[in-house]
Amino acid sequence: GQNIDQPTEMTATEGAIVQINCTYQTSGFNGLFWYQQHAGEAPTFLSYNVLDGLEEKGRFSSFLSRSKGYSYLLLKELQMKDSASYLCAVRDSNYQLIWGAGTKLIIKP
Amino acid sequence: NAGVTQTPKFRVLKTGQSMTLLCAQDMNHEYMYWYRQDPGMGLRLIHYSVGEGTTAKGEVPDGYNVSRLKKQNFLLGLESAAPSQTSVYFCASSYGDSAQPQHFGDGTRLSIL
Repeated sequence: GQNIDQPTEMTATEGAIVQINCTYQTSGFNGLFWYQQHAGEAPTFLSYNVLDGLEEKGRFSSFLSRSKGYSYLLLKELQMKDSASYLCAVRDSNYQLIWGAGTKLIIKP
Repeated sequence: NAGVTQTPKFRVLKTGQSMTLLCAQDMNHEYMYWYRQDPGMGLRLIHYSVGEGTTAKGEVPDGYNVSRLKKQNFLLGLESAAPSQTSVYFCASSYGDSAQPQHFGDGTRLSIL
């Protein structure tokens, strides 16, 4: 079966750094997405990794290790507006997206 | 620029009733998708379309039908609503295939009593 694992919930402090992990077991791999979803709103695209390594985009970075079936999203200088769910999605061998259940990130002052 | 617009935003149905959810995008995207999102689960693909006049089944197509008569619109129909179809439904579109970021609508919250 295909599986995407993410922690259900994480808590961090405003101004700090947090790392949200995603591990996957899928039939093939053709890329990994991270999306942000505020409560009651639509998911919005954050990043897309196809090759191993770190992709930096402002305060957000995404890392991929294909050999380990592992990715993480790193959020720096946390702000209250970063309180949201973060969704990991893997593009499998059939080019279909398999979505994780998401990690709810709570930012405390 | 509206992006992806879903109507209605909320709806309550009785078991056995039918309804249609409308999705409209103004970005000239070829690909459109319908997902459902349930607590504790990832987004699950119901149906998708790779262009005007085409549709294909996703992971959980049973009980739903779709049509893409115009490029900008993608309709999701529930033929005979069941309580198990209570969910939040999201429409999304993308310029190309699944390697492209998807743009989502704000969702339709549907309750089946």
